[in-house]
Amino acid sequence: QKEVEQNSGPLSVPEGAIASLNCTYSDRGSQSFFWYRQYSGKSPELIMSIYSNGDKEDGRFTAQLNKASQYVSLLIRDSQPSDSATYLCAVKKGMNYGGSQGNLIFGKGTKLSVKP
Amino acid sequence: DAGVIQSPRHEVTEMGQEVTLRCKPISGHNSLFWYRQTMMRGLELLIYFNNNVPIDDSGMPEDRFSAKMPNASFSTLKIQPSEPRDSAVYFCASSFNGLTLTSQETQYFGPGTRLLVL
Repeated sequence: QKEVEQNSGPLSVPEGAIASLNCTYSDRGSQSFFWYRQYSGKSPELIMSIYSNGDKEDGRFTAQLNKASQYVSLLIRDSQPSDSATYLCAVKKGMNYGGSQGNLIFGKGTKLSVKP
Repeated sequence: DAGVIQSPRHEVTEMGQEVTLRCKPISGHNSLFWYRQTMMRGLELLIYFNNNVPIDDSGMPEDRFSAKMPNASFSTLKIQPSEPRDSAVYFCASSFNGLTLTSQETQYFGPGTRLLVL
């Protein structure tokens, strides 16, 4: 099993719809989870972080975490064409990783396309 | 704040040549990361420094790759000799490591160096 898995997409949604991006991870010791957005040809930028089970909302973005199911998701409400990008899920390694504890493991990303 | 600075932004070289990538982290950050991104493998961590000391280099592909951080404001990633399979985008990122599990250790990425080895 890959350490962090995402559906590569592309995920296509119409403008104004809700985009739902999903991520599963294998390390039960992980405590910190991040969503990065990467526009084509640009570097990743952090948009959300979540540490506790449940939902965390920030503007149009909601991150959801379920540690029991080892699942984290990102919802984008009222999607805009400017949201078209690749979304990378990142999981911080837990204590059982020893020296590499604290490093981020990235999924390969889901490409989102929002159609006007 | 200027953010993480990387140079060069683009590099085209021939197989067998030495390539040196440079990174200046955000002032005050004590952790520095080198990543490589390809379509096939995604974003992979190559090496991680904390307070200028290499902590985890398990992602370094082989002996052809080496990284140094002589001081808190500068790091290099060297490939010698370079091979076509090294073609990728190399990102440097920095963060402040608060050494607590729940601290928000946001990693800030530089613009990347696009390397093409012919």
